[in-house]
Amino acid sequence: QQPVQSPQAVILREGEDAVINCSSSKALYSVHWYRQKHGEAPVFLMILLKGGEQKGHDKISASFNEKKQQSSLYLTASQLSYSGTYFCGTEMGTGGFKTIFGAGTRLFVKA
Amino acid sequence: DAGITQSPRYKITETGRQVTLMCHQTWSHSYMFWYRQDLGHGLRLIYYSAAADITDKGEVPDGYVVSRSKTENFPLTLESATRSQTSVYFCASSVGVNSPLHFGNGTRLTVT
Repeated sequence: QQPVQSPQAVILREGEDAVINCSSSKALYSVHWYRQKHGEAPVFLMILLKGGEQKGHDKISASFNEKKQQSSLYLTASQLSYSGTYFCGTEMGTGGFKTIFGAGTRLFVKA
Repeated sequence: DAGITQSPRYKITETGRQVTLMCHQTWSHSYMFWYRQDLGHGLRLIYYSAAADITDKGEVPDGYVVSRSKTENFPLTLESATRSQTSVYFCASSVGVNSPLHFGNGTRLTVT
């Protein structure tokens, strides 16, 4: 089953913060985060491989709560360039290599 | 140029016709994937491959066929196209488990 992302869409003003959540009914072994701009291919942001792990990239960071089977992506002091659709992906099964994606969260940052 | 390329970028075909979407990568990545993207559904996995001659079904495999005779190529064939297969198709590759996926630029397919 696809992981569930929330919210489905969010509108921000430049400089505001946002959180995107990703949860699964099945055990998560790793979580991927990607961003896709309109008309382009998804681009990799980060992977979290174990529970409790947190990562950051510029002002975008993520956490992974293995017990709760969920991950969150944090966008701090958003910039216009952050606009796009964010996808979380989860690898299914022990040592599985197929990544299943959520339906995406559309983020729009306005000036 | 190194990378992952898909062809064609745009394709219009008629219901019932066979159409093949091509995917080629130059990194020698073991894993390759085909996804379709439709509004409201995100990216759904069609088929994937762990290595040459090893393929397996994803979430939505019906109506599609894949092959992988060489590591660098992973074509996707719609044997008899239907309107419900109108979508944007992305090919991706990965070096291994728990590794980032690298996506091609996509093929926009319209079935009339």
